Amino acid sequence: EAQVTQNPRYLITVTGKKLTVTCSQNMNHEYMSWYRQDPGLGLRQIYYSMNVEVTDKGDVPEGYKVSRKEKRNFPLILESPSPNQTSLYFCASSPRSAYSYNEQFFGPGTRLTVL
Amino acid sequence: AQSVTQLGSHVSVSEGALVLLRCNYSSSVPPYLFWYVQYPNQGLQLLLKYTSAATLVKGINGFEAEFKKSETSFHLTKPSAHMSDAAEYFCAVSDPSGTSYGKLTFGQGTILTVHP
Repeated sequence: EAQVTQNPRYLITVTGKKLTVTCSQNMNHEYMSWYRQDPGLGLRQIYYSMNVEVTDKGDVPEGYKVSRKEKRNFPLILESPSPNQTSLYFCASSPRSAYSYNEQFFGPGTRLTVL
Repeated sequence: AQSVTQLGSHVSVSEGALVLLRCNYSSSVPPYLFWYVQYPNQGLQLLLKYTSAATLVKGINGFEAEFKKSETSFHLTKPSAHMSDAAEYFCAVSDPSGTSYGKLTFGQGTILTVHP
């Protein structure tokens, strides 16, 4: 089944404790992206990647890191989480990033709480 | 810069009634437009998209949307609401010029409640 998977689905952590949220897709998509969803704000892009070893900042990159060493994986790293990073996070992928009419496929989401 | 405004953060309808969710966009060029749906505890699923072909777009689950350039709108409609339509709906735009590298700009979301 074609899908985007994220782990963990739920995470409660404390301020300053490094964490990684994994994202993997099995559709051989070039483009991957991370969004955060906050009430009343919709989804905002954190980082995106157009292909292996090619990443760039989105609209709200502060406090986050990403890497793209393999085509299928795009982990989101919070080196020192803070309470304002409490949010619902979505990973998405799509083929051929230059074609912005392509549908993006979303993972199930990771609900992160930073105490 | 692109932006999307969804009028009404909550919409409530009766089962069988018309569903109308409003979306207006701001863009320097005619954008590509999308409607996504998010069911509780799930990711986003594409309902339909406009990519400069027909202005009336039909999607899944009986939804459709009409692109109106003069009104910079892309409202989502369904003639008869079903209980299973209860979800949060997001309108999104992307820049067709390619310079935004596929980024979707989302509206704030509209929660649809369907009551018996």
